[in-house]
Amino acid sequence: GQNIDQPTEMTATEGAIVQINCTYQTSGFNGLFWYQQHAGEAPTFLSYNVLDGLEEKGRFSSFLSRSKGYSYLLLKELQMKDSASYLCAVRDSGNTPLVFGKGTRLSVIA
Amino acid sequence: DTGVSQNPRHKITKRGQNVTFRCDPISEHNRLYWYRQTLGQGPEFLTYFQNEAQLEKSRLLSDRFSAERPKGSFSTLEIQRTEQGDSAMYLCASSLVQGLGYTFGSGTRLTVV
Repeated sequence: GQNIDQPTEMTATEGAIVQINCTYQTSGFNGLFWYQQHAGEAPTFLSYNVLDGLEEKGRFSSFLSRSKGYSYLLLKELQMKDSASYLCAVRDSGNTPLVFGKGTRLSVIA
Repeated sequence: DTGVSQNPRHKITKRGQNVTFRCDPISEHNRLYWYRQTLGQGPEFLTYFQNEAQLEKSRLLSDRFSAERPKGSFSTLEIQRTEQGDSAMYLCASSLVQGLGYTFGSGTRLTVV
């Protein structure tokens, strides 16, 4: 089976740094994705990791440890517009459809 | 390219009625996916196509659900004899076979009353 866990909710202060964790248990592994979803809108692609390590893209970074089945999304210099749900998704093998976690709802407060 | 387009954006229907949703993917994308999302949850996989072939169906997709992608272009998702539990956002996404990640449409929000 497949299991993807992430915290349900997080709150952070504008200008701060927040780390959203994701752990996964899948039969195989062929990539981990992070998506951002604002309320009532479609998910939008943020990052992709397939090898261990950190991928940095502007204020957002994503880390992967395949041996630990663990990833995190790091958001720096938080802005109010970063208030959204952040979805962790895993491709377990080949080019199979993504399996999504339940999402982490991030609230950025002043 | 205008991205992935889904119609209608909202649909309210009475229990027991049939509904059909349409998804127009990005034109060069040969894969098309349907997901369902309820409030506070992540998207749940329903089915996907590569060109016109339906490659996989989730066990979430009961026999009341059917999806087609004639000619490998747009896709339709039909729900027969709708139930209140079918109320959800239905998301369509498309990708290239070897592409990274998906491009999602804005979804169709179904409310069954």
